[in-house]
Amino acid sequence: QVQLQESGPGLLKPSQTLSLTCTVSGGSLSSGGYYWSWIRQHPGKGLEWIGYIYYTGSTYYNPSLQTRIAISVDTSKDQFSLKVRSVTAADTAMYYCAKTSILETTAGAFDIWGQGTMVTVSS
Amino acid sequence: DIQMTQSPSSLSASVGDRVTITCRASHNIDNNINWYQQKPGKAPKLLIYAASSLQSGVPSRFSGSGSETQFTLSITTLQPEDFATYYCQQSYSLPRTFGQGTKVEIK
Repeated sequence: QVQLQESGPGLLKPSQTLSLTCTVSGGSLSSGGYYWSWIRQHPGKGLEWIGYIYYTGSTYYNPSLQTRIAISVDTSKDQFSLKVRSVTAADTAMYYCAKTSILETTAGAFDIWGQGTMVTVSS
Repeated sequence: DIQMTQSPSSLSASVGDRVTITCRASHNIDNNINWYQQKPGKAPKLLIYAASSLQSGVPSRFSGSGSETQFTLSITTLQPEDFATYYCQQSYSLPRTFGQGTKVEIK
């Protein structure tokens, strides 16, 4: 069973760059057939999809964030990462990584999630 | 972007009740909708995919229905562990979008 685990600093100052990593265990990120996503949830609010990456490095970003974000993959470590530039208080949120199948019956659904990591932006 | 509108935003129910949550899509998404349950401090959990398919391990009291723009998530015989927030999500087009959530509270 694939498991995901987010890691990264919990506190940032405005204008800094947020860097988070999601480690995949119980499976190989490079096996193909899955998209690897980042999703965030502002405190007490709903879910916002940030973007995803395929193991080849192909990405799709939410247009609402695409000018400030980058998602990358390191297949040798079974990790994918999120960078958000020039953070503000509005980027304070719980950040989740999640897996989506491309070809399985659950295609399009986020069937595996990490536990999430809280990021706070404050001066 | 496809907007997903859930109703109600919250509801109060008792153990044993039947609960129905509605999600309306701003465009036809065929059956490309998924439902999640989220408990406080936890990541969302997939309940239903492709509008009506039950994810493995999810109790059969959960069911989904609908097509095109109107969808429902039903919980028959509400159990204490079902008090949570529920989200719909469309997987028809990018960017993926979620409903705003429905909080199911104990009456």
